[in-house]
Amino acid sequence: AQKVTQAQTEISVVEKEDVTLDCVYETRDTTYYLFWYKQPPSGELVFLIRRNSFDEQNEISGRYSWNFQKSTSSFNFTITASQVVDSAVYFCALSEANQGAQKLVFGQGTRLTINP
Amino acid sequence: DAGVIQSPRHEVTEMGQEVTLRCKPISGHDYLFWYRQTMMRGLELLIYFNNNVPIDDSGMPEDRFSAKMPNASFSTLKIQPSEPRDSAVYFCASSLGRASPNNEKLFFGSGTQLSVL
Repeated sequence: AQKVTQAQTEISVVEKEDVTLDCVYETRDTTYYLFWYKQPPSGELVFLIRRNSFDEQNEISGRYSWNFQKSTSSFNFTITASQVVDSAVYFCALSEANQGAQKLVFGQGTRLTINP
Repeated sequence: DAGVIQSPRHEVTEMGQEVTLRCKPISGHDYLFWYRQTMMRGLELLIYFNNNVPIDDSGMPEDRFSAKMPNASFSTLKIQPSEPRDSAVYFCASSLGRASPNNEKLFFGSGTQLSVL
């Protein structure tokens, strides 16, 4: 069965610090997709990134970067030089190809607070 | 693009009452999803539709819950009768489908905060 674990329930850092959010997943499929979503205080979930199981290249988008390691079943998310606007709940999610990439299993989320 | 629109934003009702949540997906999206978010269970998929047809309702908690999608631009999630344990945030999401990787991200509505007293 598929499972996503975000062991960090809450993280609090001071602005401009770097912060890494951990995500560990379990799946028996060889083809799967990993996602990160952001849930700001306004409530709606916002897509950040999608990665398939055959693409282990790390990705950088501005201050955001993602480290995908199949050997450890991890898909960690790093925010560099954090800002107050990064404060949100962040969810890691997994879907298996045979179930359709949209059928997501979410982790419990990490509440990130960036203090000025 | 107006995004996924959900109504109402907040709903407070008494136990035993019928509750109807509404969703308008993004035009052109052929998948629609209903998720529930609670502190205890996190985000759970309740049901999803493809081209207005329910594909997987295995996440629907019990017979008190029902969902319909009468056309491509409207879906409802109904709880009858409602119970206090149904209190949660209910999200609707839509997506374009599996045609290409870029089509597989979900667009979420702002959610409906349901409180059953």
